[in-house]
Amino acid sequence: EVQLLESGGGLVQSGGSLRLSCEASGFTFNTYSMTWIRQAPGKGLEWISTIRPNGDTTFYADSVKGRFTISRDNSKNTLSLSMSSLEAEDTAIYYCAKGGWCDSLGQGTLVTVSS
Amino acid sequence: DIQMTQSPSAMSASVGDRVTITCRASQGISNNLAWFQQKPGKVPKRLIYSASSLESGVPSRFSGSGSGTEFTLTISSLQPEDFATYYCLQHNVYPRAFGQGTKVEIK
Repeated sequence: EVQLLESGGGLVQSGGSLRLSCEASGFTFNTYSMTWIRQAPGKGLEWISTIRPNGDTTFYADSVKGRFTISRDNSKNTLSLSMSSLEAEDTAIYYCAKGGWCDSLGQGTLVTVSS
Repeated sequence: DIQMTQSPSAMSASVGDRVTITCRASQGISNNLAWFQQKPGKVPKRLIYSASSLESGVPSRFSGSGSGTEFTLTISSLQPEDFATYYCLQHNVYPRAFGQGTKVEIK
């Protein structure tokens, strides 16, 4: 059974930084792209980033490009998202997802950016 | 970048109704489209991938169709547990894009 467990969310001031993690299990982690998506309060789903299986290629939404960095540690089955220059508009639940097509999502971690 | 437009944004329907939701892509995406269901306070769940393939365990009243730029999600007979928000996702190219969502409410 695929399990994705996000952590690292919390309250941060505008302009601050935060690092999210996602521990994966139940599948061969190093053979799948991995994705972060987010959902602002009362809003829809937003794709923000994907990383290829070996970590050599990454993709970002324009809304986070230059501020967020996706990475992975295949030896620890862990996906990460480093977020900097956070803005109030980044307040959301952040989900990690398996694959570039998001076939399974974790339970999410809430990031709140206070202005 | 590809934009995904869902219609309607919201709808009211009764138990037993046939419901159709449309998702249009601004460029052709072959059949690289998924549908997600999200109930209030819950994690989104993928229902359909590759436009028409049903995830394991998803009831057969759900179906997807389409290719290129126009796609539909159909619920053949709406059940109480189907009241939720539905999203499409294009997974053909990067950046990925979700539709804005369709909220299906009880009439």
